[in-house]
Amino acid sequence: SYVLTQPPSVSVGPGQTARFTCGGNNLGRKSVHWYQQKPGQAPVLVVYEDSDRPSGIPERFSGSNSGNTATLTISRVEAGDEADYYCQVWDYPSDHVVFGGGTKLTVL
Amino acid sequence: QVQLEQSGAEVKKPGASVKVACKASEHTFTGFDFHWVRQAPGQGLEWMGWINADSGGTKYAQRFQGRVTMTRDTSISTAYMDLTRLRYDDTAVYYCARGTGVALIYYYMDVWGEGTTVTVS
Repeated sequence: SYVLTQPPSVSVGPGQTARFTCGGNNLGRKSVHWYQQKPGQAPVLVVYEDSDRPSGIPERFSGSNSGNTATLTISRVEAGDEADYYCQVWDYPSDHVVFGGGTKLTVL
Repeated sequence: QVQLEQSGAEVKKPGASVKVACKASEHTFTGFDFHWVRQAPGQGLEWMGWINADSGGTKYAQRFQGRVTMTRDTSISTAYMDLTRLRYDDTAVYYCARGTGVALIYYYMDVWGEGTTVTVS
């Protein structure tokens, strides 16, 4: 089955840029989606189809996908961005959903 | 505003079954798929499967095959997830989420329920 690999943690200071990577075989050929999950809350979609933002998500959140790596970037990081971030793809032809293991963002 | 409302917390004994409900707000059920995702304490998101609200067709993750059944009742815009032969490691928060996208290979989950805590003890 398809595997997505994420680093366990990322730490940045307020106002800096946080980058989250998601690795997978030929990932650039798939559509990658990103979710933010704060403690005790349900996940929230922050980027879909590699780089699109749902309404209500700040422009500080952006995404890219090429080769074997997708990247979620948060610019001008705020304390309120502290959360776990998960990448997700649809695996074809199994028609299964695959999540990465998640990356915890710590704002120093 | 689109919402998914889930049933309340459950405490079950090992070997028992649990059925979790997920009710969609009006006009947000048919035409969509509904996924079930669980999260054990301190762990990541684990996809369990999905059901098509129109056809009732399902697809389950291999590790849950034979133990999970997903159904829906279109008359009340509600999806259900039934997990049998519960084990201690089934203790988790169970989320339902609406799947959407221009085609399956682009599918993502745009609306999530608040989660239902299932404790096996």
